[in-house]
Amino acid sequence: SAVISQKPSRDICQRGTSLTIQCQVDSQVTMMFWYRQQPGQSLTLIATANQGSEATYESGFVIDKFPISRPNLTFSTLTVSNMSPEDSSIYLCSVPGIEAFFGQGTRLTVV
Amino acid sequence: GENVEQHPSTLSVQEGDSAVIKCTYSDSASNYFPWYKQELGKGPQLIIDIRSNVGEKKDQRIAVTLNKTAKHFSLHITETQPEDSAVYFCAARNDYKLSFGAGTTVTVRA
Repeated sequence: SAVISQKPSRDICQRGTSLTIQCQVDSQVTMMFWYRQQPGQSLTLIATANQGSEATYESGFVIDKFPISRPNLTFSTLTVSNMSPEDSSIYLCSVPGIEAFFGQGTRLTVV
Repeated sequence: GENVEQHPSTLSVQEGDSAVIKCTYSDSASNYFPWYKQELGKGPQLIIDIRSNVGEKKDQRIAVTLNKTAKHFSLHITETQPEDSAVYFCAARNDYKLSFGAGTTVTVRA
């Protein structure tokens, strides 16, 4: 089973600023997924990060707001740009495989 | 795309009783169905999963059943304990993408 590490685990940010979340996997994976979980809600897929190509965004999510990097097969970052209080959520990365595991998540609060 | 519905949204059970959560999915191409437990302030933890070629799977007090024809799957927790209190999510995977149910808040009363 894959081990997924996310940093930071939590942060409190001022509106208008940006936060970059890191996701590290202990094995090489072709795809990495970024999810958002708004307070009291289920998980929603933001985008799929592919190594060597641009990320694929789901409906309602755009690259300008959530730029993603995927420099190698074990690492990805998600940036939440120009934050507003509505961006307060848990952000999670995941990798596909035989089983679907998640990192512990990044709890973001925007004030 | 895939649509996953989960019921009930909240479930309160007496310690020692069983808890059952049910999910339905819409895309017959979905072939992997994991269940997650999420405790307050933590990410979702995979507790059990089932693939479309299997009808039932059990792991100690937790079991999952899958009915491909009806496109529904269920989580069964027996002999519930206070530490089973959490939010549980079902999901269905198709083409590597996971679609989640809305979640069930389970409370085990001592």
